[in-house]
Amino acid sequence: DVKVTQSSRYLVKRTGEKVFLECVQDMDHENMFWYRQDPGLGLRLIYFSYDVKMKEKGDIPEGYSVSREKKERFSLILESASTNQTSMYLCASSFAIQETQYFGPGTRLLVL
Amino acid sequence: DQQVKQNSPSLSVQEGRISILNCDYTNSMFDYFLWYKKYPAEGPTFLISISSIKDKNEDGRFTVFLNKSAKHLSLHIVPSQPGDSAVYFCAASDGSGNTGKLIFGQGTTLQVKP
Repeated sequence: DVKVTQSSRYLVKRTGEKVFLECVQDMDHENMFWYRQDPGLGLRLIYFSYDVKMKEKGDIPEGYSVSREKKERFSLILESASTNQTSMYLCASSFAIQETQYFGPGTRLLVL
Repeated sequence: DQQVKQNSPSLSVQEGRISILNCDYTNSMFDYFLWYKKYPAEGPTFLISISSIKDKNEDGRFTVFLNKSAKHLSLHIVPSQPGDSAVYFCAASDGSGNTGKLIFGQGTTLQVKP
């Protein structure tokens, strides 16, 4: 079974803090993704990576950055957290030639 | 601009009846479609998919129908069970490159009443 794990299930941070969300997959997938899920807006792509050290902006990259130093690990960084970044963050991974993405359990982030 | 739309935010059906969830898309380049199911406090899980070369794909109680001319797909669940209560997302891919990027709809919350 594919396993995608995320470092935290719940996080509470203060405005202006730097926040790191980590995602690890154990299936040797080439592609990794970060989404946020908000009510009525569905899943919106923040950043994705199709190879180590490669990254591409998604639909809503502003205020975020990412890092992929190893194939199995994809980190999402909020440089200076703001209240409008309060959301559910979901990580996913997939093989390069397949569309099916496998998701982690999500991190619910609250920025006060 | 929402390329994948689920216009019904919620749907309520009785146990044993059919649930029909709908999804519309605007990009004619999309060639692969997926449905995901999400329970609260969990990540989405893959349910069923369909390629644009087909118009129907069936897996147990779940069937996905694709109408390319109308740019519309639907997920049928028969019979519906209380455990099917979840948020359902449709997603589409245009198959460009190997990035595996998907475009998701807004989701439809299905409630199956016992």
